[in-house]
Amino acid sequence: DAKTTQPPSMDCAEGRAANLPCNHSTISGNEYVYWYRQIHSQGPQYIIHGLKNNETNEMASLIITEDRKSSTLILPHATLRDTAVYYCIVRVASRGATNKLIFGTGTLLAVQP
Amino acid sequence: ETGVTQTPRHLVMGMTNKKSLKCEQHLGHNAMYWYKQSAKKPLELMFVYNFKEQTENNSVPSRFSPECPNSSHLFLHLHTLQPEDSALYLCASSQVGTGAQVAFFGQGTRLTVV
Repeated sequence: DAKTTQPPSMDCAEGRAANLPCNHSTISGNEYVYWYRQIHSQGPQYIIHGLKNNETNEMASLIITEDRKSSTLILPHATLRDTAVYYCIVRVASRGATNKLIFGTGTLLAVQP
Repeated sequence: ETGVTQTPRHLVMGMTNKKSLKCEQHLGHNAMYWYKQSAKKPLELMFVYNFKEQTENNSVPSRFSPECPNSSHLFLHLHTLQPEDSALYLCASSQVGTGAQVAFFGQGTRLTVV
């Protein structure tokens, strides 16, 4: 699976958009990009995933560059409750195979009042 | 609520005790996973089950014994643990098939070994 690189920490003002970058320069054509977040001492929460196209759901937007070597998770209006560690994971979702996820150290997003 | 429920949420056990962690998923998934998260460390994958069959054991010590009686339930049996085994233990599930196969996590069991 492709390795990902994320900044260790970021700050964001409450009410502003939070843009979290992720580099995955060795990604292959059949690898998905998944984003999860983990609020202190809780289980990781699924946010969004994408393959090639940009995606949006009720929580966030995922922008994937055309060459797929990087992506950005956008929280449009960050709140204090969005303070968490955000993980970008790249994984091949093979037919008939399990989807074991390998977590890195992620980005600690601190939303400031 | 993610559809994956772990019990208990907190557990304190002595090094000579035997205890079990339970995970139940209500998502109709057929793959289940145990992860361990020690303080200030990334999640580490411990075991993977696919249709009740263990498909992966990431060099986990034998004092951790998983059991998957059916696709909805996963247990982690603990015996003669060490204080360094104190951690957050997380269960996840996903649907084996096609597409992204998104995995969902439970809230974890916070284990303290004394």
